[in-house]
Amino acid sequence: DIVMTQSPDSLAVSLGERATINCKSSQSVLYSSNNKNYLAWYQQKPGQPPKLLIYWASTRESGVPDRFSGSGSGTDFTLTISSLQAEDVAVYYCQQYYSTPPFTFGPGTKVDIK
Amino acid sequence: QVQLVQSGAEVKKPGASVKVSCKASGYTFTSYGISWVRQAPGQGLEWMGWISAYNGNTNYAQKLQGRVTMTTDTSTSTAYMELRSLRSDDTAVYYCARGQRWLVYWGQGTLVTVSS
Repeated sequence: DIVMTQSPDSLAVSLGERATINCKSSQSVLYSSNNKNYLAWYQQKPGQPPKLLIYWASTRESGVPDRFSGSGSGTDFTLTISSLQAEDVAVYYCQQYYSTPPFTFGPGTKVDIK
Repeated sequence: QVQLVQSGAEVKKPGASVKVSCKASGYTFTSYGISWVRQAPGQGLEWMGWISAYNGNTNYAQKLQGRVTMTTDTSTSTAYMELRSLRSDDTAVYYCARGQRWLVYWGQGTLVTVSS
């Protein structure tokens, strides 16, 4: 199974500043035949189900603000919030959906306001 | 609009079984699979498995193999997840979500508490 790790476990960022979350997979999730990275990012607020932010590592889901962006390829990925807003306080998870299941999640990164 | 509505909270004793339902609406049920994800209190997301609503094919997380069964009823556009031989560490919120890869639409979650 592909193991996902995230760093940091938590971070506190001032309003309007940049937040960067890293995600690493134990093997590449880049499918060479279509050059797509099989990775998604989710945001979860307390008491709510997760919300999809990004898929194919960098494609923003419809309705997601453009301050959220995803980058990376192969085994190393980044979710960036370019200008943190109060409503972005949440836990963020990466998930790989490469090849066959299980489609494992990372352990999560908690984002707070400094 | 797409909606996934799950059944209500459950309290079960160790060794019992639980069956959670997930009723879909707003789309053609057989066009998408249903994934199940659980979250223990204060913990992260755990992928449990997936079922094709088209042909009933399933993939389960290895750690749950033998204890979990996912089914669908296309006549009512409902997916089910049954977990048997419950243990205290099965206490979690159980979510259904539409799709197999990235998951856009999620149910509201069902809290299953396993306690003697």
